[in-house]
Amino acid sequence: DAEITQSPRHKITETGRQVTLACHQTWNHNNMFWYRQDLGHGLRLIHYSYGVQDTNKGEVSDGYSVSRSNTEDLPLTLESAASSQTSVYFCASSENSDTQYFGPGTRLTVL
Amino acid sequence: ELKVEQNPLFLSMQEGKNYTIYCNYSTTSDRLYWYRQDPGKSLESLFVLLSNGAVKQEGRLMASLDTKARLSTLHITAAVHDLSATYFCAGGYMEYGNKLVFGAGTILRVKS
Repeated sequence: DAEITQSPRHKITETGRQVTLACHQTWNHNNMFWYRQDLGHGLRLIHYSYGVQDTNKGEVSDGYSVSRSNTEDLPLTLESAASSQTSVYFCASSENSDTQYFGPGTRLTVL
Repeated sequence: ELKVEQNPLFLSMQEGKNYTIYCNYSTTSDRLYWYRQDPGKSLESLFVLLSNGAVKQEGRLMASLDTKARLSTLHITAAVHDLSATYFCAGGYMEYGNKLVFGAGTILRVKS
């Protein structure tokens, strides 16, 4: 069955380190999204991509970057992790304007 | 800029009771989604509402959309414990591309 996976599921890192969170989908969806979830804020969009080589900034993109070299993957990089980036990160994918399907999430703690 | 507000943010209800979660949005939205999230889990799609007056039902949950009032509702009928979860609404519109804007979520606790 097609699916969307994220790794690692849990990550503890130190302030200032570079961290990359992986997202892989097997639906062959063009659209991929990264969100962070914090209590009281719902989900906020970090970056998104509408296809290979396409990347765009979302609402809370500062300190994050993405690259899209193939259809299946959209890794999220924290250039220099900060405590304010402690959060749960969700990746999602969709075909055109259809429903977005979410991965299982990555819980990131920055000490 | 599209903004989405849900209320209430927390809802504690008894089994067997009915209640409604409200989702207001600030500008034109041509599609409205409802998602469910269990504690520590991912988001699961419940409903997609695409036109004014749209109504969709699944079990004890019914969602509706009034684009003129910029309001969507999620109605819970005869709540059961298994409905305890966090419910999110999210809006989007064509000019905004395929992005969604999420509400803060409503934490629903159904007490036996």
